[in-house]
Amino acid sequence: QKEVEQNSGPLSVPEGAIASLNCTYSDRGSQSFFWYRQYSGKSPELIMSIYSNGDKEDGRFTAQLNKASQYVSLLIRDSQPSDSATYLCAVTGGTSYGKLTFGQGTILTVHP
Amino acid sequence: SAVISQKPSRDICQRGTSLTIQCQVDSQVTMMFWYRQQPGQSLTLIATANQGSEATYESGFVIDKFPISRPNLTFSTLTVSNMSPEDSSIYLCSGMGLAGVVGTDTQYFGPGTRLTVL
Repeated sequence: QKEVEQNSGPLSVPEGAIASLNCTYSDRGSQSFFWYRQYSGKSPELIMSIYSNGDKEDGRFTAQLNKASQYVSLLIRDSQPSDSATYLCAVTGGTSYGKLTFGQGTILTVHP
Repeated sequence: SAVISQKPSRDICQRGTSLTIQCQVDSQVTMMFWYRQQPGQSLTLIATANQGSEATYESGFVIDKFPISRPNLTFSTLTVSNMSPEDSSIYLCSGMGLAGVVGTDTQYFGPGTRLTVL
């Protein structure tokens, strides 16, 4: 059974700091990795997708993937109070194409 | 990207009744899925909605409890049958694989249906 684990929260960082969110997955056949942001009472919103080892940057967000270690992370630079949300790591691929397995989520609070 | 709508956005139902949730995508998508998010929890996949055939259910979910239809590439319904308070959750549909766009497995989510069962 596929498992996705995220670092336990909640995570609190000051405005302007770097927030680091981590995720590990159990299925070595996983091929696609996603970070979603979910505000309270809202549905998940895709922030980043990553498919290859290494870093992928998009604005203030950087996703990092290490398939050998089965590890994916999300860095948020210059954190803003508007970044306060639950961040969900999701994984798919292998024999389960399209079926997202989500981690339990990490609650991030950015305080002024 | 795809825009996904769901109806109803929320409902309060009595135990023993059924509720059908509708999901509409503004573009044809290859795959549609239904997820459940219980209070304070993450998302759990219920089933893959297959066009013109029976849905594929994940472990712990059965067709009698969660019948799903998908008559075309842009629409699907999920019914929560014989409801109990344990079914109180947010139900979300998602779409993946925009028609004509090769190689994308990005999933877009609808706004969700918040269900409370009394």
